[in-house]
Amino acid sequence: AQSVTQLGSHVSVSEGALVLLRCNYSSSVPPYLFWYVQYPNQGLQLLLKYTTGATLVKGINGFEAEFKKSETSFHLTKPSAHMSDAAEYFCAAIHTGRRALTFGSGTRLQVQP
Amino acid sequence: GAVVSQHPSRVICKSGTSVKIECRSLDFQATTMFWYRQFPKQSLMLMATSNEGSKATYEQGVEKDKFLINHASLTLSTLTVTSAHPEDSSFYICSARVQGDPGNTIYFGEGSWLTVV
Repeated sequence: AQSVTQLGSHVSVSEGALVLLRCNYSSSVPPYLFWYVQYPNQGLQLLLKYTTGATLVKGINGFEAEFKKSETSFHLTKPSAHMSDAAEYFCAAIHTGRRALTFGSGTRLQVQP
Repeated sequence: GAVVSQHPSRVICKSGTSVKIECRSLDFQATTMFWYRQFPKQSLMLMATSNEGSKATYEQGVEKDKFLINHASLTLSTLTVTSAHPEDSSFYICSARVQGDPGNTIYFGEGSWLTVV
């Protein structure tokens, strides 16, 4: 089955520390991959996406993600966490033959002062 | 940038009544829009794919007669929850695919909180 898995429902880092949020997909054909952020009681904002081309994708707010086909992964990173990064992060994919996004279960990022 | 607008952002309705939620793409055309439901502290579950000028495609387990979707124009899709019950209370989010974008860019609305009392 085509799915998206996010390891770790909660991640806590200190302000200024590296942020690493994990995402793996399961499909024989690599899907289009996305990371979205959701602040409380709000919709989703696109951080970045991978469709084709360069496997290291840079997004907004200093985030980036690297597509690794051999590991079926698309982990999200940010070198230095800021308090304003605290939110829910969703990894999502558009699998071959589908038009809609399939979402992972989400990871809540907490940033400690 | 592209913006998707949802209205209302919050609505309270009585059990047994119907409520309509609108999803508009403000500065782009969207032949395809999607409706999701999100329970507190959970992920987004796709309810249906809304197709401009044709019938919506519903996901398995979603009652099409209860969740009516209309996509009358390239910028507007509506979700009507009919005969609402308290268990329909949830956060509903729409999204829209930018027409003709090979990068599959999809933008989300701000969501609508529905409370059925």
